[in-house]
Amino acid sequence: GDSVTQMEGPVTLSEEAFLTINCTYTATGYPSLFWYVQYPGEGLQLLLKATKADDKGSNKGFEATYRKETTSFHLEKGSVQVSDSAVYFCALSARRGAQKLVFGQGTRLTINP
Amino acid sequence: GAGVSQSPSNKVTEKGKDVELRCDPISGHTALYWYRQSLGQGLEFLIYFQGNSAPDKSGLPSDRFSAERTGGSVSTLTIQRTQQEDSAVYLCASSFKDGAYEQYFGPGTRLTVT
Repeated sequence: GDSVTQMEGPVTLSEEAFLTINCTYTATGYPSLFWYVQYPGEGLQLLLKATKADDKGSNKGFEATYRKETTSFHLEKGSVQVSDSAVYFCALSARRGAQKLVFGQGTRLTINP
Repeated sequence: GAGVSQSPSNKVTEKGKDVELRCDPISGHTALYWYRQSLGQGLEFLIYFQGNSAPDKSGLPSDRFSAERTGGSVSTLTIQRTQQEDSAVYLCASSFKDGAYEQYFGPGTRLTVT
């Protein structure tokens, strides 16, 4: 079945460092791809998404590009802030059926000032 | 506007008891999902409701789990004869039409089975 594998954490960086969180997927067909974020004490919220190959999703300085040839959707940010500390989940949704989200295991990111 | 709400926020129950978890989706959203977030299994899909169609129950882990959605709005997830492995955060999400649209998540119900 469909699955998502993402970089295991925890990841600790200093403020203004460059961030990459790797995500690869296995799916039948061409799924939609998502990054969700869970800030401390808050619910899951959508960070960005891409629905077809070569699409780039972006939000709050974060970017991820849908790479069909490498089945990847790596999350990047050029200069992280303390407020980016959270758990990040990569997810996919098949285009048919329930279109439920299949999540990776999550990566806990801590940014130190 | 109001987001997805869930109640209770926390529930502690004894092993073997039944529990009911409630989800109020965003008004106008026809799709509703239940997920479970646990340390061992991560985030996993449980069940999907879309309008008046038969629900997709493919993610329910056992026949002790059931869910209903009344009037196309509020949903209740019921766990019978709870076990310790049922301890998790149960998340509800709704979307405007289906999974192609953004899923909005509620704050979750933290279930602890003692």
